[in-house]
Amino acid sequence: GAVVSQHPSWVICKSGTSVKIECRSLDFQATTMFWYRQFPKQSLMLMATSNEGSKATYEQGVEKDKFLINHASLTLSTLTVTSAHPEDSSFYICTSLSPVSDDEQFFGPGTRLTVL
Amino acid sequence: AQSVTQPDIHITVSEGASLELRCNYSYGATPYLFWYVQSPGQGLQLLLKYFSGDTLVQGIKGFEAEFKRSQSSFNLRKPSVHWSDAAEYFCAVGTGGNTGKLIFGQGTTLQVKP
Repeated sequence: GAVVSQHPSWVICKSGTSVKIECRSLDFQATTMFWYRQFPKQSLMLMATSNEGSKATYEQGVEKDKFLINHASLTLSTLTVTSAHPEDSSFYICTSLSPVSDDEQFFGPGTRLTVL
Repeated sequence: AQSVTQPDIHITVSEGASLELRCNYSYGATPYLFWYVQSPGQGLQLLLKYFSGDTLVQGIKGFEAEFKRSQSSFNLRKPSVHWSDAAEYFCAVGTGGNTGKLIFGQGTTLQVKP
């Protein structure tokens, strides 16, 4: 099946720094990707929809200036957490719509962000 | 508002016993329903999905789920649980037709006793 990768798998950073997370579709073109956040012991919450060649669409309550999303190519979307704070520590997961069916998503393995 | 509820936060079953994980949804239109499994530190894996047609859906790893519109439910079942089934299970509803946005339930942690 289709594979979505994320890099890095985990990252630790100091408060106030920025962190970039990459999401790649390895064997298909992904015009639409989604970014989710999962706090410990909690469910996944959709942050934004990333569309290739256009601006991302953010969910209500998600700060677009803090969570910068760039989908510059058909195989890569990036999420940059700017001026990270400890409360941004979370598990960030990207997904891509299936190239076969818009009703199915392929999940990346996630990136664990810890802000000290 | 659209929502998904998994009433059971934590379930423990003995290996070989049957399993049922509950999921209730609130969605105005015909729902696209999914069950995912997440092992510790791993991404989510799709177990099964329901879009239309037969309300009893077969998935991978011996799981099945039944869509009951009258009860707004999509419960996940497995007749005989294996120790490797211990994981976090998420029910989700797809919104907006083909947009692919998912609303997830809170998740149910399954523990399997030997």
